[in-house]
Parts: sequence; structure tokens; C-alpha cells
Amino acid sequence: GENVEQHPSTLSVQEGDSAVIKCTYSDSASNYFPWYKQELGKRPQLIIDIRSNVGEKKDQRIAVTLNKTAKHFSLHITETQPEDSAVYFCAATNSGGGADGLTFGKGTHLIIQP
Amino acid sequence: GAVVSQHPSRVICKSGTSVKIECRSLDFQATTMFWYRQFPKQSLMLMATSNEGSKATYEQGVEKDKFLINHASLTLSTLTVTSAHPEDSSFYICSAPSSGGADTQYFGPGTRLTVL
Repeated sequence: GENVEQHPSTLSVQEGDSAVIKCTYSDSASNYFPWYKQELGKRPQLIIDIRSNVGEKKDQRIAVTLNKTAKHFSLHITETQPEDSAVYFCAATNSGGGADGLTFGKGTHLIIQP
Repeated sequence: GAVVSQHPSRVICKSGTSVKIECRSLDFQATTMFWYRQFPKQSLMLMATSNEGSKATYEQGVEKDKFLINHASLTLSTLTVTSAHPEDSSFYICSAPSSGGADTQYFGPGTRLTVL
């Protein structure tokens, strides 16, 4: 089955600086890679996703890059703000033929220092 | 985005009792729903895939007789934790793809189960 590794487990950055979270996956058949933000006690919220036919995707301050050859993908947050503080999870799945469950990384606790 | 609800949001029960958790897609139909479990300060782990009109598919290590899943309609899946024990205490979250075969999954608000 799929295995997703995520680093770092904790990331502390100064407000206004950029944050980068990296994930690797093992199953070359995986073709969909979402990123979720989860605040304490709440549901994960999709912040951005990328499919295997795309190398990069950007949405305002958030961007995701995908390297299929190396089987890794990264989340980039620029101009960080206090409200970006949360736990971020990457995930991967093979969605061929229909929706499949997600395999999640262990999460990154992002702390934005004022 | 699509809306997924869960009920109850929080439940406390005695060891040995059974607890039913409902997951509903409010503004779309979901032939497939997923159940995840999240222990404190850990990641989400897929437990099972709920299929409307057929048996659920369980991930390795998840006991199907302990975690009963029923997907009776296109908008409702239920997870019943049977004979719950303290080690079953966790955050249970369901998700559903927004339309048949789509990748994007929307999560319910989760159910916090505490077994005394």
C-alpha cells in the first residue's frame, strides 16, 4: 500500500517569512495529492491539491509543487500570518476508476511567531 | 464546497456499550464515503470505505465485526463501534467525494468518542 512521509513534524517561522513542508510517497500509481489544514479539534480543511499531470499549482499565498520522478511534493506558504498556525497534513491516493481513501502524512505543526 | 455533517459531535459512553455515528452528505449524493480515525496528536488513518448498497471495505488491521458500517442511502453512512473499550476513544471523521469518481474529499466535523 501507499506510504507517505512528511517533514518536518514541527516548523516555527517568523510572521511574514515563508514556510515549506515536504512529503514523499511510495506508490508510483498515486495521482492525487491534497493538502489539509487542521485546527485543534476541528475537521481537516482542503487548502490546495495537485494532480499528477501538473507540476505546480498556486493559489494566492499557497503553492504546491510535485516531482513525479522523485515521488515528492511540497507545500509553500509565503508571507505567513498568525492565522496560518495549525497542523498541516499532506495526503496521496490513486484515484483511477473512482474515489479512493487518502493516505496521510504524520502532519506538520506550523507555528507562526509574531 | 460540498457539505458533510456528522452526528453526534461528542459522545461519552461506558465500556461495553455500542455507539452509532452518522455521516451525511447534505447537498450531494455520495455512493462512497470514507471513515477515518485520529488519535490525539496523530494523523488520520483510513479505517474503511463505505459503499452504498454493498459491503464496506476495511483496511488491514481494522476489525469489521467491531466497526460496523452501513451505507443505506446515497446521503447517509453510519459507523457503529460495538462493545466499545477505552482504547477505542478517538476522533472519528468521515469524508465523501463531492461527486462520483471525483478526487476532492470533504470531511465531516468529526465525532469525539470517549469510552470510560
